[in-house]
Amino acid sequence: KQEVTQIPAALSVPEGENLVLNCSFTDSAIYNLQWFRQDPGKGLTSLLLIQSSQREQTSGRLNASLDKSSGRSTLYIAASQPGDSATYLCAVDRDDKIIFGKGTRLHILP
Amino acid sequence: NAGVTQTPKFQVLKTGQSMTLQCAQDMNHNSMYWYRQDPGMGLRLIYYSASEGTTDKGEVPNGYNVSRLNKREFSLRLESAAPSQTSVYFCASSSGGLPYEQYFGPGTRLTVT
Repeated sequence: KQEVTQIPAALSVPEGENLVLNCSFTDSAIYNLQWFRQDPGKGLTSLLLIQSSQREQTSGRLNASLDKSSGRSTLYIAASQPGDSATYLCAVDRDDKIIFGKGTRLHILP
Repeated sequence: NAGVTQTPKFQVLKTGQSMTLQCAQDMNHNSMYWYRQDPGMGLRLIYYSASEGTTDKGEVPNGYNVSRLNKREFSLRLESAAPSQTSVYFCASSSGGLPYEQYFGPGTRLTVT
């Protein structure tokens, strides 16, 4: 059974710093890995999707990497801003069903 | 485009009452999903529909029924609500083909007393 783990559960970082969020999964037979952002009381917003054949994806200050063989992904956020404060979830999918991690709650300190 | 819409946004039910959560998408997606999100449990799949006319159970289907009314709409019904069904419910959709990127609605916050 696929399990997705995100450590740490919460993280506080001073504004301006670069940071890395981690995601691990137990079954490497995935199609994609997706990173989402969730603001309090809101739905999920897709940030980046990495297909299994890809190693990384970039969008602005965000860079996500995927090492499928080791079951790991990282989300790198450059020059963090208070507006980056949110919960970040990773999810892996196979056969049109996706399994979510429990998320990392990120707080950027002004 | 509205994307994925859900109604209602908030609902309070008494134990034993029934209700239907509505979801619609305007992206011509084939696949639609219902999740619940609970503190410490993350997001868990309740039911999904890979195409119009088909539905399948997810990880936590007990106590729920679904209807894929047409390609746009996918409803979730609680026949006899229980306090354990207090949660935030999210609907999502995807094209149904690779890369299976999912788009989420804003959620329905349900409290069962």
